[in-house]
Amino acid sequence: AQTVTQSQPEMSVQEAETVTLSCTYDTSESDYYLFWYKQPPSRQMILVIRQEAYKQQNATENRFSVNFQKAAKSFSLKISDSQLGDAAMYFCAYRSASGNQGGKLIFGQGTELSVKP
Amino acid sequence: GAGVSQSPSNKVTEKGKDVELRCDPISGHTALYWYRQSLGQGLEFLIYFQGNSAPDKSGLPSDRFSAERTGGSVSTLTIQRTQQEDSAVYLCASSRGGPSRTEAFFGQGTRLTVV
Repeated sequence: AQTVTQSQPEMSVQEAETVTLSCTYDTSESDYYLFWYKQPPSRQMILVIRQEAYKQQNATENRFSVNFQKAAKSFSLKISDSQLGDAAMYFCAYRSASGNQGGKLIFGQGTELSVKP
Repeated sequence: GAGVSQSPSNKVTEKGKDVELRCDPISGHTALYWYRQSLGQGLEFLIYFQGNSAPDKSGLPSDRFSAERTGGSVSTLTIQRTQQEDSAVYLCASSRGGPSRTEAFFGQGTRLTVV
C-alpha cells in the first residue's frame, strides 16, 4: 500500500520570503501522480500543483514549484514571495496511474503554514 | 452547478442517531469520492463511485457506513447509529473520470459533530 508522510506539522514564513514544505511517499509503482493541495479555513481543497512521475522536469505554477526526486521518493513544495493569502493547511497527495485504483488520492497529514506580515 | 456542492454544511447529531450527508458533483463528472478528515488529520479515503457503481468501498470504516449514488449524479453518505468517533469533516470530490490525469474538484465538506 502507498503511504504519504509530511513531517512538518507547522511551518512559518515571513511575507515575501520563500518557504519549502516537505513530503515523502512510499510506493512500489513506477507510474503515478503527486499533488499539493491547499486547504484554507473554508475547508475547500484547492489544487496548487501537480507532477506526473514519468516527467523529469519539476512542475511550476507561478510562485509555486516542486522539487521531485523520484529515486528518493521526495516531493517538496517551494512557495516563493509568500503572501498572506498563502496561509493555509497544505496537503501532499499521491494517486496511482493504475486504472484499477480508480483515481483515489492518498494524503499526508498536512502542514499548517502561517505567514507573518 | 459550477462546483461540487455538499449539504448540510454543518450537522450536530446525538449519539446513536442516523445521519445522511449529501454530495452534488459537477455536472458530467462520472467519478465521485468521499473522504473523511478527522481533527488535525489528513484526508482518509472512504469510497469511490464510477457512475452509480462503487468499485472501491475499501475505506468505509464499519458497516454503519454506507453510500449510494443515483442517476450518476447525487451521492448520499449514510452513517447509522453515530458514535463520537464519527465526528469529522466529510469531503466529497468529483472528476471526469477516465484517464488518471483528470483533476478532482472538492466540495466544502460537511462538519459532523456527534454529541
